[in-house]
Amino acid sequence: GAVVSQHPSRVICKSGTSVKIECRSLDFQATTMFWYRQFPKKSLMLMATSNEGSKATYEQGVEKDKFLINHASLTLSTLTVTSAHPEDSSFYICSARDPDSRTDTQYFGPGTRLTVL
Amino acid sequence: AQTVTQSQPEMSVQEAETVTLSCTYDTSENNYYLFWYKQPPSRQMILVIRQEAYKQQNATENRFSVNFQKAAKSFSLKISDSQLGDTAMYFCAFMKLLKLTFGTGTRLTIIP
Repeated sequence: GAVVSQHPSRVICKSGTSVKIECRSLDFQATTMFWYRQFPKKSLMLMATSNEGSKATYEQGVEKDKFLINHASLTLSTLTVTSAHPEDSSFYICSARDPDSRTDTQYFGPGTRLTVL
Repeated sequence: AQTVTQSQPEMSVQEAETVTLSCTYDTSENNYYLFWYKQPPSRQMILVIRQEAYKQQNATENRFSVNFQKAAKSFSLKISDSQLGDTAMYFCAFMKLLKLTFGTGTRLTIIP
């Protein structure tokens, strides 16, 4: 149980285009999902918290107009990187909280490597 | 704000030996969760073990155990009988109100 998927696993796009990344909880309903960014050989940095049916909460320094988050259902959150630039190239990871678990453990997706040319 | 410190950027150990990874954190909170996550070369984050701060008993999961010292704000991970599949990046994480703060990680290599 507690499986989270992400799609695509890799994406290469041209500068100025937008890219959408999907995060799905496969065997549980996730009212809350999270988006992280990981630079090479670095730790994970929380970008935003995605709540089903409401606006995402962004961490300080994260541009909400650049990183659009939509959590339209209890099993799907999407992150759209708008007008991508090379500095947006990174590894993006989502996680989901299983509200039925007795703890607040987050289960992670396999990540998406974004390369902006 | 919470901070998590992992002072060992890299470690290596012979297969079948025991290794301990260090983690300290800074918080003014009393109730929180602590986690160790493993990130192998596939980059998939895998939960290794979790500890509730209100529990005095140290958590164990098969070959993995923690030494949780709340007063010292220390949360080390012990891996017994290490296996080649344990080779990975290990992240210590603090959680309060669903927000995870990660340490910088320790790259662990198990030597055959």
